[in-house]
Amino acid sequence: DAVMTQTPLSLPVSLGDQASISCRSSQSLENSNGNTYLNWYLQKPGQSPQLLIYRVSNRFSGVLDRFSGSGSGTDFTLKISRVEAEDLGVYFCLQVTHVPYTFGGGTKLEIK
Amino acid sequence: QVQLKESGPGLVAPSQSLSITCTVSGFSLTSYDISWIRQPPGKGLEWLGVIWTGGGTNYNSAFMSRLSISKDNSKSQVFLKMNSLQTDDTAIYYCVRDHYGSREFAYWGQGTLVTVSA
Repeated sequence: DAVMTQTPLSLPVSLGDQASISCRSSQSLENSNGNTYLNWYLQKPGQSPQLLIYRVSNRFSGVLDRFSGSGSGTDFTLKISRVEAEDLGVYFCLQVTHVPYTFGGGTKLEIK
Repeated sequence: QVQLKESGPGLVAPSQSLSITCTVSGFSLTSYDISWIRQPPGKGLEWLGVIWTGGGTNYNSAFMSRLSISKDNSKSQVFLKMNSLQTDDTAIYYCVRDHYGSREFAYWGQGTLVTVSA
């Protein structure tokens, strides 16, 4: 199975700061078709996860451009610029290249 | 409007089986795959398996021996059945759907909490 290691576990930030979350896979996530299937989600308290980024760097409909994804192969990053209060919650990465699909352990973004 | 809604028993006794139904609206199950994902309280997410538009399935090998996913296209329902439940199967169970066909998991149900306890 592709093990997804997400860091940090907790990320205290001040409102208006930039935040960066890392996700590393134990296997390359590049598919034989050339696509890389790595997604990012935000789960707010008491809610279902919501899709932010798919296939490494594509923002889902309605997601603000303060959220950006990058990376390739085994190393991926989610950046949140100018953090706002509504961004707080737990962020997860998910690889959907290899079955079983596997999630990172989560990063809790909280106020410093 | 795309909607998915899970319904389950709430409480299951250890060693018993679990059945959850995902009822969808706003789209056809013949056009989109549906996956099941679970989340133990306060913990991370775990993919359980998928049912493809054609009815084929793919399961997380960790659950393959006790998990079954099926569907009824005419009723817009997807079914999860898991056998031999233990306390560590206590979790919120979600059904999810993609948007662009690239396994984005863009649409999630509200989830149904299943507690395994005597």
